[in-house]
Amino acid sequence: GAGVSQSPSNKVTEKGKDVELRCDPISGHTALYWYRQSLGQGLEFLIYFQGNSAPDKSGLPSDRFSAERTGGSVSTLTIQRTQQEDSAVYLCASSLVGQGNQPQHFGDGTRLSIL
Amino acid sequence: AQKITQTQPGMFVQEKEAVTLDCTYDTSDQSYGLFWYKQPSSGEMIFLIYQGSYDEQNATEGRYSLNFQKARKSANLVISASQLGDSAMYFCAMNPVHSQGAQKLVFGQGTRLTINP
Repeated sequence: GAGVSQSPSNKVTEKGKDVELRCDPISGHTALYWYRQSLGQGLEFLIYFQGNSAPDKSGLPSDRFSAERTGGSVSTLTIQRTQQEDSAVYLCASSLVGQGNQPQHFGDGTRLSIL
Repeated sequence: AQKITQTQPGMFVQEKEAVTLDCTYDTSDQSYGLFWYKQPSSGEMIFLIYQGSYDEQNATEGRYSLNFQKARKSANLVISASQLGDSAMYFCAMNPVHSQGAQKLVFGQGTRLTINP
């Protein structure tokens, strides 16, 4: 597609359930990033993929969070046993290569609400 | 550790006026990139402009320019001839340019810009 695609756009689930968020990056982009945006914490980095490997997963808040990327393309962010503090907008971005001078292009995000 | 500071939580500007959004940063990296993003109420993050730490000239993209003062560690965004559609949140961000290590963007808290007709 022309831009980064994320699904679902909105997700409402009960506390304790698992959720999967999907990101389809811009075709040809080798680097993929996940961020979280919440009112109290602003924009926080979660994890960075170069190809299928994750050189930096330092932003994942707990072991309930995991992510994978397959085929150098689609990525899935999984949150297990969701908690209310997980409510946020989860943003995915991609860039041509994983270098600091490459702009990251963002998707529209998934708004996650934990009841 | 890197840090971005945006000291203006909100700004109100008359249409067609120029506006400057402030951004200061702190880093121990010698080589880094500075970015500005726009986030309208619809939520998408739109890349506006990039400045490399070794770029000698200030970056420009249409009505956007970046006033880069390396010694002061500031990277202010200037929007000329503001339009109603410029109303949005604006985020300053940075990351290291070296090829190894973290590529994460560190964001400021943002400035909410409102353009009045």
